[in-house]
Order: sequence, then C-alpha cells, then structure tokens
Amino acid sequence: QQQVKQSPQSLIVQKGGIPIINCAYENTAFDYFPWYQQFPGKGPALLIAIRPDVSEKKEGRFTISFNKSAKQFSLHIMDSQPGDSATYFCAASPLGSGNTGKLIFGQGTTLQVKP
Amino acid sequence: DGGITQSPKYLFRKEGQNVTLSCEQNLNHDAMYWYRQDPGQGLRLIYYSQIVNDFQKGDIAEGYSVSREKKESFPLTVTSAQKNPTAFYLCASTRQGLDEQYFGPGTRLTVT
Repeated sequence: QQQVKQSPQSLIVQKGGIPIINCAYENTAFDYFPWYQQFPGKGPALLIAIRPDVSEKKEGRFTISFNKSAKQFSLHIMDSQPGDSATYFCAASPLGSGNTGKLIFGQGTTLQVKP
Repeated sequence: DGGITQSPKYLFRKEGQNVTLSCEQNLNHDAMYWYRQDPGQGLRLIYYSQIVNDFQKGDIAEGYSVSREKKESFPLTVTSAQKNPTAFYLCASTRQGLDEQYFGPGTRLTVT
C-alpha cells in the first residue's frame, strides 16, 4: 500500500513531442506528489509538485495532471527538447501528525528526446 | 551558496571494510535523509533524522548506521554487514513543516 508505480520504464520522443509519464498509488493518505528530474551522475532536482486539492498544475513546459478518484498522476512535458533527456521520478508523501517528510519514490522513467 | 554537499563523489573500498559517507547542509534545514539508488530502481530510504541526536530507520536500514550530532551534518556509515553496498548514495534535507526535499550530488560507492 506504500508503493508508487511508475510507467513507462523508458520513453523516446522526437524534439517537440509531448512525453507523458504516469504514476499510480494506493495509499489514500498520500497528500503531496512531487516530480524529480535526474541527470546521470547527479542528484535529483525537484521539478514540480502537486497536492490533491487541484487537478492540474503548470510550471513552464511541465504540467502535472492529478486524478484523485483514480489515484493516478502524470507528468507532461510540452515542446520537449534534447536537454530534457533525463530520468524522471514521481514520489508521494503521506500526511498526518507524525508526518516525517518521508518520500515514496516510483521506479523512474528514462526519457530520451531525439533532435 | 546554500546547498547540500556530499563527499567524496566516488569511493572505492574492499569488502569487509566500513566506510563513512559525508553529508553537510548549510540550508538550516531540520530534517535530513539518506537514500540508496540502484540502476533501474527508484530511491529507497535508508535512515532519516528530524532533529539533532535523533534518527529513525527507513526501509532498508540493515547494514547501515548514522549519527546526527550537529544540525548541518548527517554522516552515513556503510558497515561490513551490508551485503550489497555498491550503489549511488544520496543525501537530502528539508525544513520541518515543508515538503520540498533537496538532494545533494551523491556519492558513488564501489565495493570489491
């Protein structure tokens, strides 16, 4: 119940395409859903995050769509560029008075954007 | 510049030796975390600490130990009891009450 399942494992798109990465969770206590971007040999960097009270959030070319009833959320990258080639992780954090800030991560998606 | 530093970037050890990975932050963050990353897998939580002199086990704590003697420092020791220590280790921190976790650049540990 603590898992976050991410798909696809890898994704190849042409420049300008819109890659979509999906995540699903089971624990309804999750209330914070961030996406991280990681380049090879580097630490993950926070990209964008959403809470369940909204269904969509945009920051630049990155959009999170959130479906609370389906317990799914996804990342869309508009007008993708070769520089977006990286590994993307979704994550979730449970709420509660004992919230420790622990993040549960998906397995990651390796994105390649071809020129 | 504020941030999280991890050292060294690469570390090589012989099997049976303990090794300590450094993590320092100057963000004045309260909570700190250690994650392990293996190829093709997500990040898995090893240990975390919300305040000085207190820490809790994460999902894969066996074979690891930590200390939190100072707010800005959270070193991780990989002991000889860890059966498969070769991995990429990431340290993160966050301010208490906030959700955003910030990661360091990582240490790649290779044990042969």
